[in-house]
Amino acid sequence: AQSVTQPDIHITVSEGASLELRCNYSYGATPYLFWYVQSPGQGLQLLLKYFSGDTLVQGIKGFEAEFKRSQSSFNLRKPSVHWSDAAEYFCAVGPEYGNKLVFGAGTILRVKS
Amino acid sequence: EPEVTQTPSHQVTQMGQEVILRCVPISNHLYFYWYRQILGQKVEFLVSFYNNEISEKSEIFDDQFSVERPDGSNFTLKIRSTKLEDSAMYFCASSEALMQGTDTQYFGPGTRLTVL
Repeated sequence: AQSVTQPDIHITVSEGASLELRCNYSYGATPYLFWYVQSPGQGLQLLLKYFSGDTLVQGIKGFEAEFKRSQSSFNLRKPSVHWSDAAEYFCAVGPEYGNKLVFGAGTILRVKS
Repeated sequence: EPEVTQTPSHQVTQMGQEVILRCVPISNHLYFYWYRQILGQKVEFLVSFYNNEISEKSEIFDDQFSVERPDGSNFTLKIRSTKLEDSAMYFCASSEALMQGTDTQYFGPGTRLTVL
């Protein structure tokens, strides 16, 4: 069965510092991987996705993620965090056929000035 | 930019009452979904809908739940007799329905359902 683990429930970083949010997945075949962000009172906004090809994926708002098959990971990174990045971040995996997304528990990012 | 919309943003109901949550998916999308997020828990898949029928559903989606595409724009989730444990944020999503691979799903802002 598919599963997604986000080991960090909360992360606090200083504004301007770099960020890495961890995501590990368990899936037997080719995973389709997503990162979504949820700001307070908002829905889930797609940041980026990985289907195939280049393992370093660029997304919106200056985020990127790297797919590492050997580590079953899809970590999200940003070189310099802005206060507006404070939100909850969800990693999700989908199957090669079908459309059921399985989400991780989320990581709450706090940005301190 | 097209977006998924949901109404109402917040619904309060008494236990045992029926509720209908409404969604307007992105207009050229063909796959529709409902997910829910109980406070403090993961976002969970409920159901996917394509070509006027359910394509996949989770074990959560029991006989108390139903979905419908009543017209060309709306997609609804009905809970027939709400329970306290149905209190959650309900997200609607839609995607284009690619032939292969997991579609990119676009989510609405959610409806917070509170069952008293």
